[in-house]
Amino acid sequence: AQRVTQPEKLLSVFKGAPVELKCNYSYSGSPELFWYVQYSRQRLQLLLRHISRESIKGFTADLNKGETSFHLKKPFAQEEDSAMYYCALSGRPGGTSYGKLTFGQGTILTVHP
Amino acid sequence: DVKVTQSSRYLVKRTGEKVFLECVQDMDHENMFWYRQDPGLGLRLIYFSYDVKMKEKGDIPEGYSVSREKKERFSLILESASTNQTSMYLCASRTRAGEFYEQYFGPGTRLTVT
Repeated sequence: AQRVTQPEKLLSVFKGAPVELKCNYSYSGSPELFWYVQYSRQRLQLLLRHISRESIKGFTADLNKGETSFHLKKPFAQEEDSAMYYCALSGRPGGTSYGKLTFGQGTILTVHP
Repeated sequence: DVKVTQSSRYLVKRTGEKVFLECVQDMDHENMFWYRQDPGLGLRLIYFSYDVKMKEKGDIPEGYSVSREKKERFSLILESASTNQTSMYLCASRTRAGEFYEQYFGPGTRLTVT
């Protein structure tokens, strides 16, 4: 069974400090991994996906297959980064879980001024 | 711009009532999903639909059913609402084309069952 774990329910940092949101997964095979974000009073939206190897709003995430992790990082946090963050996993095309997302429990990030 | 709409932002129902939550998307997406979002539990998949008249159970289907008669509309039905179904319900859709898994979410319906 596939599983996503975000060990921190809450994370608080000060503006300008580095931030890392942890995500660990279990999946037999090579998954696709994503970070979704939900800002206050807004709908859930995709932040980034590992396959694109992109940096969005200064955030990056590296897939570590050895540690089965996909941590989200930003070197200098901003107040507008305060939000709920979800890590999510999907199987690759051809697999039974293709197209379905399994989400972690979420981490609420608060960036203080 | 993808738009996923849900029929109500807030809903209050009584125990035992039959409840319908409606979701409509305007991007001709084949796949649609219903999740519930609970603090500390994240998003859990209730049901999904790969195409019209197709449906599959997700991780927590008990107490729910769905209907997909038209491509743009996916309904979640609580046959007999119970207090443990008080939650935020999110609908999402995605295209089946290519390898882009991005799911587009609706604003959510906060359901309270008293």
